[in-house]
Amino acid sequence: GQQLNQSPQSMFIQEGEDVSMNCTSSSIFNTWLWYKQEPGEGPVLLIALYKAGELTSNGRLTAQFGITRKDSFLNISASIPSDVGIYFCAGLPNTGNQFYFGTGTSLTVIP
Amino acid sequence: EAGVVQSPRYKIIEKKQPVAFWCNPISGHNTLYWYLQNLGQGPELLIRYENEEAVDDSQLPKDRFSAERLKGVDSTLKIQPAELGDSAVYLCASSAGTRSGEQYFGPGTRLTVT
Repeated sequence: GQQLNQSPQSMFIQEGEDVSMNCTSSSIFNTWLWYKQEPGEGPVLLIALYKAGELTSNGRLTAQFGITRKDSFLNISASIPSDVGIYFCAGLPNTGNQFYFGTGTSLTVIP
Repeated sequence: EAGVVQSPRYKIIEKKQPVAFWCNPISGHNTLYWYLQNLGQGPELLIRYENEEAVDDSQLPKDRFSAERLKGVDSTLKIQPAELGDSAVYLCASSAGTRSGEQYFGPGTRLTVT
């Protein structure tokens, strides 16, 4: 199946810092989704992207659909302790109807 | 609006025992997904339903796993018999349509097989 590579695998940052993470694939995707998962809970949808080049914000979160359609980026501005969790990207390939998930970026925010 | 509901939240069983998980999707969502999530990994699709039809079950280990969505709403995922390697979180998600993109997840069922 498809493989989505997320980087970095983990991040330890100070409260107030900005965060950037990305997700890349070897093939073209039509849709990118970004989720956040906290311990003991299911993933929560943060942002959905449907067009190459699209830039969408949700509060302090901003995500972009890469122009090549093989990558996506998530930025978090002015991080706060409640941003802690694992962030997953998910993508829908140009062919097929199955979403594939990345391996996640674990974010720790130090107060 | 209620989210995706799953039960039980936790289950501990001995190997070779059967186990079942239940999912109630968001009202009006005709697409339902069961995912497996191992520790430190992203969710992996087991089966996808469009209404009551299983349209993608290629990754469901059919020798021991089965699923049903009889009336196109609630769904049940069963394992019989369970093996030690089945210990994981089983997530249910729903969406308004396969290509609508936006899948909403339940809290998951954490299965421990001893």
